[in-house]
Amino acid sequence: GAGVSQSPSNKVTEKGKDVELRCDPISGHTALYWYRQRLGQGLEFLIYFQGNSAPDKSGLPSDRFSAERTGESVSTLTIQRTQQEDSAVYLCASSSSGLLYNEQFFGPGTRLTVL
Amino acid sequence: AQKITQTQPGMFVQEKEAVTLDCTYDTSDQSYGLFWYKQPSSGEMIFLIYQGSYDEQNATEGRYSLNFQKARKSANLVISASQLGDSAMYFCAMREGLTGGFKTIFGAGTRLFVKA
Repeated sequence: GAGVSQSPSNKVTEKGKDVELRCDPISGHTALYWYRQRLGQGLEFLIYFQGNSAPDKSGLPSDRFSAERTGESVSTLTIQRTQQEDSAVYLCASSSSGLLYNEQFFGPGTRLTVL
Repeated sequence: AQKITQTQPGMFVQEKEAVTLDCTYDTSDQSYGLFWYKQPSSGEMIFLIYQGSYDEQNATEGRYSLNFQKARKSANLVISASQLGDSAMYFCAMREGLTGGFKTIFGAGTRLFVKA
């Protein structure tokens, strides 16, 4: 079956513009994660959705960042009024549940460049 | 406080030798899971191995094994018989249970270079 897909693969935007990044998880996966990875660095947790529970937004760096998920399917990460420090690869991952042992399957990422 | 610490920014290993990548973690949860992922230069994230906090035996997956020392809160990855294709970034991650809300936190990573 299809893996996690993300779109666009690359996004170049001007400072101050809003961007929307999309993630399509593996069908049937109830858990969905967003991470940010700056160049040469590790993965920074942003937000976590699990089924119908309220999302864990504790990793969102500012109120310019928000994310939504429609049921147990597509998720969009929105960054408003982008800044140059938002430039990074944004990775989405899904897992079959939120249980401890479930591995995450990652998408290819969206590379965001803010000029 | 850092939840996951990987103290080796870079490591070199000779092809066919074994290498240990260090990972320590911090949690007050009794139930948690530990993961290792590989990220080649292509950028994809590849799951390698999992260890649960209640697992009594160290996890193994082919050439990968996890040296789990619960009392020391360490979960080191051991790669045996290194291959050139093992050159990549390696990330240690932890998913906590109730106290951590089941989200997963990653370490800063270790870049492994395998020399021919």
